[in-house]
Amino acid sequence: DVKVTQSSRYLVKRTGEKVFLECVQDMDHENMFWYRQDPGLGLRLIYFSYDVKMKEKGDIPEGYSVSREKKERFSLILESASTNQTSMYLCASRGRGRYEQYFGPGTRLTVT
Amino acid sequence: RKEVEQDPGPFNVPEGATVAFNCTYSNSASQSFFWYRQDCRKEPKLLMSVYSSGNEDGRFTAQLNRASQYISLLIRDSKLSDSATYLCVVNSFMDTGRRALTFGSGTRLQVQP
Repeated sequence: DVKVTQSSRYLVKRTGEKVFLECVQDMDHENMFWYRQDPGLGLRLIYFSYDVKMKEKGDIPEGYSVSREKKERFSLILESASTNQTSMYLCASRGRGRYEQYFGPGTRLTVT
Repeated sequence: RKEVEQDPGPFNVPEGATVAFNCTYSNSASQSFFWYRQDCRKEPKLLMSVYSSGNEDGRFTAQLNRASQYISLLIRDSKLSDSATYLCVVNSFMDTGRRALTFGSGTRLQVQP
């Protein structure tokens, strides 16, 4: 079974703090993704990576950056957290040539 | 217009009922389609892929109508454990040419005893 893990299930941060969300997958997948999920808006793609050190912007990259130094790990960084970044953050991975994605359990981030 | 549109529901049905959800997509070049299931406060999980010829997996049947650009999911003999949000998912191509999945906002199903 594919296993995608995220560093925290719940996180509370203050406005202006730098926030790191970590994601690790154990299936040697090339592609990894960061989404946020908000009521009524569904999942929206923030960034994705198709290889180590490679990244591409998704639909809503503003206020976020990412890092992929190792194949199994994909980090999402909020440089200066704001209250409108309060959301559920989901990481996913996908193998090369496949369409289906496998998700981690999510991190519920609250910025106060 | 959203790329993938679903009726948010909720659909409240009794155990044993048959229920159907539809989903419409706007990108006619989309090639792959999926239904994901998401339980409350959990991550989405792949339920089934949707093939052009239609496909069935136990009590679940998925259909694709390319001409009208909609996908359907039929659940027969509903169980309490089917209560969840069902996400319609379509593959699309980003401006860079890379593939990405576009998710609908989901349809909530509540099966009642």
